[in-house]
Amino acid sequence: DTAVSQTPKYLVTQMGNDKSIKCEQNLGHDTMYWYKQDSKKFLKIMFSYNNKELIINETVPNRFSPKSPDKAHLNLHINSLELGDSAVYFCASSQELSGHRGSPLHFGNGTRLTVT
Amino acid sequence: RKEVEQDPGPFNVPEGATVAFNCTYSNSASQSFFWYRQDCRKEPKLLMSVYSSGNEDGRFTAQLNRASQYISLLIRDSKLSDSATYLCVVTTGANNLFFGTGTRLTVIP
Repeated sequence: DTAVSQTPKYLVTQMGNDKSIKCEQNLGHDTMYWYKQDSKKFLKIMFSYNNKELIINETVPNRFSPKSPDKAHLNLHINSLELGDSAVYFCASSQELSGHRGSPLHFGNGTRLTVT
Repeated sequence: RKEVEQDPGPFNVPEGATVAFNCTYSNSASQSFFWYRQDCRKEPKLLMSVYSSGNEDGRFTAQLNRASQYISLLIRDSKLSDSATYLCVVTTGANNLFFGTGTRLTVIP
């Protein structure tokens, strides 16, 4: 009955590989997100996806691409992985765009990516 | 200047103590404010929203000071289970949501 679920929980891979992280929410929310939490625990938004509108954080390299087959899913695909991509990636969802009328975020339990 | 700034701590307090965290924000047009809690190696979870008039939820009290651009979280009668990182979150409009780096709290027996 997990509200926001993401897989895998741990991902260890070598530089240069391509990998995907999947996310699904069963809350009926309209908006989904991907966040990156680095080693200093700073949470930074990467993407938000609302009603087929993708909003990209301009600092995110284009090796990262979100894919949303439907409103309940937002997967993250990463090409040509680099050492600096090692972090915890959180998927999240909210009823409306975060910030709009204070709609809070519901997070998945994170994917710990380690690039070697 | 960062959108949201917090004292990273750590704050080490004995059980039963009262502890308060502040968080400052840079954008005077900020609209919504939240405190999230993140346990070690877990996802952030909403602790409480922060309303203009201040609000309380059990042992937790949140305050907003728009003039000085900060929000605060007060925890009374600290429990061991309160040990976590507390994240301040500020929004400036649709899809503009900013997290602080968090304040780490350890409650000591």
